[in-house]
Amino acid sequence: QSVLTQPPSVSAGAGQRVTMSCSGSSSNIGSNYVSWYQQLPGTAPTLLIYEDNKRPSGIPDRFSASKSGASAILAITGLQTGDEADYYCGTWHSSLNIAVFGGGTKLTVL
Amino acid sequence: QVHLVESGGGVVQPGRSLRLSCAASGFTFSGNYGMHWVRQAPGKGLEWVTVISNDGSLRYYGDSVKGRFTISRDTSTNTLYLQMNSLRIEDTAVYYCARYFGELSSWDHWGQGTLVTVSS
Repeated sequence: QSVLTQPPSVSAGAGQRVTMSCSGSSSNIGSNYVSWYQQLPGTAPTLLIYEDNKRPSGIPDRFSASKSGASAILAITGLQTGDEADYYCGTWHSSLNIAVFGGGTKLTVL
Repeated sequence: QVHLVESGGGVVQPGRSLRLSCAASGFTFSGNYGMHWVRQAPGKGLEWVTVISNDGSLRYYGDSVKGRFTISRDTSTNTLYLQMNSLRIEDTAVYYCARYFGELSSWDHWGQGTLVTVSS
């Protein structure tokens, strides 16, 4: 069982908008930056969002994220079939000195 | 261009040992980067394993590997290691090394992973 809680799956139609959540506690999300990762089938994860809501260069602005308290949300607009992937949130857990990830959310584009 | 290349995976019997390596290039290995191992069991999510600080002075481990796994780094060869002892069937996973960039507070580069299978 992951320390951070993500819904196992979400789905939406091509061109639509989807959101996925990541819930933690005051010791992890509530006191540290959250980052998001995209893992396409059969590949390693890649950085999608850092410091709660910032995009690395090369990540389109269709991807956005926010954080409030001990929860974070990733939003994807203008869904494309190429966005089908697993999405993970991650952060540091201060009191335990460990890093934690969510269990991942599988995105299906209908 | 940052490259992280893992090696050393394979099939091993329960209770045996294995050492993974991660060759790093394209950046200053001793810079402001913590180096992590993250694993992914077949069909499962990401599980953080361990981290070593840029100067090697700090090391932290997940509960599932504490006392059995040891992380180390060699700045002369730009290589990260994971010594895995007393392996268990539940250690079966793809093991990724990942660079944690403090200025981004995130794992900004990942290797392609190496598969470790623990089976009798």
